[in-house]
Amino acid sequence: QPALTQPPSASASLGASVTLTCTLTSDHSHYKVDWYQQRPGKGPRFVMRVGPGGIVGSKGDGIPDRFSVLGSGPNRYLTIKNIQEDDESDYYCGADHGRGGNFVLVFGGGTKVTVL
Amino acid sequence: QVQLVESGGGVVQPGRSLSLSCATSGFTFTTYAMHWVRQAPGKGLEWVAIISDDGSNKFYGDSVKGRFTISRDNSQNTVYLEMTNLRPEDTAVYYCAKDHRDSTSHGIDYWGQGTLVTVSS
Repeated sequence: QPALTQPPSASASLGASVTLTCTLTSDHSHYKVDWYQQRPGKGPRFVMRVGPGGIVGSKGDGIPDRFSVLGSGPNRYLTIKNIQEDDESDYYCGADHGRGGNFVLVFGGGTKVTVL
Repeated sequence: QVQLVESGGGVVQPGRSLSLSCATSGFTFTTYAMHWVRQAPGKGLEWVAIISDDGSNKFYGDSVKGRFTISRDNSQNTVYLEMTNLRPEDTAVYYCAKDHRDSTSHGIDYWGQGTLVTVSS
């Protein structure tokens, strides 16, 4: 099954951009991942799905155009432009693995984004 | 709009059982798989279980296999999680979540607000 690696923290000044990285294990570099936002004290919220070719499907409800994704090799990126205080959250990536009659959904460890 | 409302959390002693429910609305429940995901205090997300749209297929995370059972009632648009032989490490907020499927992948596109389960003597 895949493993997803995320740096534990990232920061950006108000109005700047930040790019978050989710790295798949090499055998799973063709997998799609979902990005989730979790604001402090709240449940997670779907941001969007990204594959090797970029976004797959539609963004989640209410996700602004400032959020975009990119896929390259084993990496899946989430970029937030013109970052706002409201974007200060934990961001998780997740991917499923269904093989041989089994299924598992795995998450990365999350990246805490701080707006300076 | 899609709504997922969990209930049934609380404080329970180690070794005891607890049942969670998730009432849903705003989408055609019978055509989507459903998940449970948990988050221990201060920790990341951990997938717990999935049940297919018709309830015929169920899969579990390794840490709960053999102790937890996911089920659904398609007449009530509700999904359940029966938890037995609870351990202190099962302490977490438990989220009910709607499956998000495309041609090759599953994920989650809607989450409930969560219900806290505390396992402690």
